[in-house]
Amino acid sequence: EPEVTQTPSHQVTQMGQEVILRCVPISNHLYFYWYRQILGQKVEFLVSFYNNEISEKSEIFDDQFSVERPDGSNFTLKIRSTKLEDSAMYFCASSEVTDSGELFFGEGSRLTVL
Amino acid sequence: GENVEQHPSTLSVQEGDSAVIKCTYSDSASNYFPWYKQELGKGPQLIIDIRSNVGEKKDQRIAVTLNKTAKHFSLHITETQPEDSAVYFCAADANDYKLSFGAGTTVTVRA
Repeated sequence: EPEVTQTPSHQVTQMGQEVILRCVPISNHLYFYWYRQILGQKVEFLVSFYNNEISEKSEIFDDQFSVERPDGSNFTLKIRSTKLEDSAMYFCASSEVTDSGELFFGEGSRLTVL
Repeated sequence: GENVEQHPSTLSVQEGDSAVIKCTYSDSASNYFPWYKQELGKGPQLIIDIRSNVGEKKDQRIAVTLNKTAKHFSLHITETQPEDSAVYFCAADANDYKLSFGAGTTVTVRA
């Protein structure tokens, strides 16, 4: 069964460092998303991406964050200068269609900022 | 924006009993309501969803009901089994691109 894959599974970084989280969405999907889940809290929407541009972003997704689809398979989330409060599980998701299509989530990348 | 409230936060049931989780939403424009199961160390996995043009949907031991007037929807798990133990999230989709999640319910099925 096709799945969304994410790397790394866990990354520890120092505050102020840049981090890139990588995702390989399901191959025929056209819509890509990043969500995050701070420990013990809700899963929160960060950004959606379609046709090589951001479709929508939340207030969390400030100038420190960026997304990119550098090739035909990867979808990345970059945090330019990490803060302690960026520590969370980051989930990539993809969907074949929009208009309430099913989201398929990856297993997540745990980011710990020290 | 959409605000989804979910109750209870924890639920412990005896194996074989039923489990019910309830959610409310605020945006009357929401038209898609999925439920996700998250096992430890894994990403959320869709288990059932319902769209605003139906009031109930069932898939084996899992059912979801939707009351659009009251803006609430519920997940029902019957004949619970130990493998049903997980965190369950409800969500609502008010536009084409993002889901608003509830805070989650930790379900424990006692053998």
